[in-house]
Amino acid sequence: GESVGLHLPTLSVQEGDNSIINCAYSNSASDYFIWYKQESGKGPQFIIDIRSNMDKRQGQRVTVLLNKTVKHLSLQIAATQPGDSAVYFCAENGGSGGGADGLTFGKGTHLIIQP
Amino acid sequence: ETGVTQSPTHLIKTRGQQVTLRCSSQSGHNTVSWYQQALGQGPQFIFQYYREEENGRGNFPPRFSGLQFPNYSSELNVNALELDDSALYLCASSWRVGAYNEQFFGPGTRLTVL
Repeated sequence: GESVGLHLPTLSVQEGDNSIINCAYSNSASDYFIWYKQESGKGPQFIIDIRSNMDKRQGQRVTVLLNKTVKHLSLQIAATQPGDSAVYFCAENGGSGGGADGLTFGKGTHLIIQP
Repeated sequence: ETGVTQSPTHLIKTRGQQVTLRCSSQSGHNTVSWYQQALGQGPQFIFQYYREEENGRGNFPPRFSGLQFPNYSSELNVNALELDDSALYLCASSWRVGAYNEQFFGPGTRLTVL
């Protein structure tokens, strides 16, 4: 599949502020998108997903926005906490519903929470 | 924490050797995918196993092979190791129903090739 990329490799925010992590994708066939959080020494942890028939989905302190027109995905984290420090990846399925083509990940954004 | 486990945690091999990595999927999951994550990069899809057969494959050479067992656990085998094979190898399990399948990742195996 085509690549998924992130705009910023590192994002530093103050504790308590809101964070926005952006992602651009290029495979127009993708119909399922996921945000993962990866802490040092651990595997990626599912945060939230969104299907292409939606443009917004909310979870606990997180919101994902999908703009299919410009092939852009964002993750908003409200009231960031020290435990939010991690690398965040967006991933897309390339239109492979059963996952047979695997997920395509971006390079990741390192979110740093300043006290 | 997901219910996906991987072994070993760390492994050191030399160039040309062969390695086998193991993964136990989360209870109730019938599909296992393997990913390679180089340092500072996102995971890259190697292949997926469903019902004990390779169901899809990424851009990896044939020296990367796998197995899935009746209990849905899986192995990743890499022959003729190269220095560039040094990476974190991640296993992800899912339940293949419908079109959208959340994948749950294990902690990974860190492979170092010298």
